[in-house]
Amino acid sequence: DAGVTQSPTHLIKTRGQQVTLRCSPKSGHDTVSWYQQALGQGPQFIFQYYEEEERQRGNFPDRFSGHQFPNYSSELNVNALLLGDSALYLCASSLFGQGSNQPQHFGDGTRLSIL
Amino acid sequence: EDQVTQSPEALRLQEGESSSLNCSYTVSGLRGLFWYRQDPGKGPEFLFTLYSAGEEKEKERLKATLTKKESFLHITAPKPEDSATYLCAVQSLSGGSYIPTFGRGTSLIVHP
Repeated sequence: DAGVTQSPTHLIKTRGQQVTLRCSPKSGHDTVSWYQQALGQGPQFIFQYYEEEERQRGNFPDRFSGHQFPNYSSELNVNALLLGDSALYLCASSLFGQGSNQPQHFGDGTRLSIL
Repeated sequence: EDQVTQSPEALRLQEGESSSLNCSYTVSGLRGLFWYRQDPGKGPEFLFTLYSAGEEKEKERLKATLTKKESFLHITAPKPEDSATYLCAVQSLSGGSYIPTFGRGTSLIVHP
């Protein structure tokens, strides 16, 4: 039973560039959430996708956008990268969509470094 | 705005030395409190969900409890393999949304 998979595992970009991160949810899950985890901090919620729509959003600027595909996989896009965007980006999947209080299953993340 | 505070930030134990981690929270309309374990370079791994005050859950050497203001993760006779960062998260109905809020975690090191 494949868990949540994310790609790439590591990425180095420069300020002003754009980046796309990818996530495949755990088999049977229909909801994908994205988090940003800075060093020494807890994960911070970016947004959640269910039925190919953004359902909930945390306190992140519009530079952060996403997409969910019919097979439930998802992408996170970040434009105009800033040094402060350097972090571990985590994808989590769960069942039952918006409003669910079911536990989330996390991938191992993409480590994004901005130079 | 939901708030989650975990203490201590770091904890060093000897193998077999039991202790507790604390998660204090301020939310409106708690829907669930979650405990996760995170190893270095890995994503969080789900441990427990608690839904209402008085609820308790156990798994091997770990036991999680919940009151109306805080949760405890009790570690009994820990082993070196229990070393990890333990994260607490709450999910509440806030402004019609269900945005989960994580604490900063407690870094646990268990020495053999």
